[in-house]
Amino acid sequence: EDQVTQSPEALRLQEGESSSLNCSYTVSGLRGLFWYRQDPGKGPEFLFTLYSAGEEKEKERLKATLTKKESFLHITAPKPEDSATYLCAVGGSNDYKLSFGAGTTVTVRA
Amino acid sequence: SAVISQKPSRDICQRGTSLTIQCQVDSQVTMMFWYRQQPGQSLTLIATANQGSEATYESGFVIDKFPISRPNLTFSTLTVSNMSPEDSSIYLCSARSWGTEAFFGQGTRLTVV
Repeated sequence: EDQVTQSPEALRLQEGESSSLNCSYTVSGLRGLFWYRQDPGKGPEFLFTLYSAGEEKEKERLKATLTKKESFLHITAPKPEDSATYLCAVGGSNDYKLSFGAGTTVTVRA
Repeated sequence: SAVISQKPSRDICQRGTSLTIQCQVDSQVTMMFWYRQQPGQSLTLIATANQGSEATYESGFVIDKFPISRPNLTFSTLTVSNMSPEDSSIYLCSARSWGTEAFFGQGTRLTVV
């Protein structure tokens, strides 16, 4: 069974204080590791897909990286608008289902 | 990217009644999914909505409680039947085609009183 573990559960940052979120996974035949952002009261918003170890993707202040066992979401010089819950999910070779982690709630103070 | 419209966005229902949630995708997708999300928690998959066949339910979820329809490649419904306060949650529709990311609706916030 695919498993996804995210850490830390919560992260409080000062504006401009860079940090990283971790996503550890076990999956049978990785078909994609996905990062989502979720704001309160809204559905998850897609950020990145990573397919193979060594791959990196960037979007504004966010950068996602992937190894064979984990993925990191780096937040560089965060702003208050980066405050959200960040979810990690993996897709395996078995079917279309994604397995989600519990998420990391990031709060950025001005 | 696909745009998913989900309605209603919220509802307050009496216990013992049923609510049907609709999910409309703006393009054809291979798979559609229904999730439940308790406040402050991650997503729990209820079932995969299969076009032309019965939905595939995850452990702990049954068709009598959560009947699902998917009449075509862009539309699905989830019914929460015989509701109790424990069914109060956010219900999310998701859509995905093979090799692509999953997209989500904005969710339905259900409160059962």
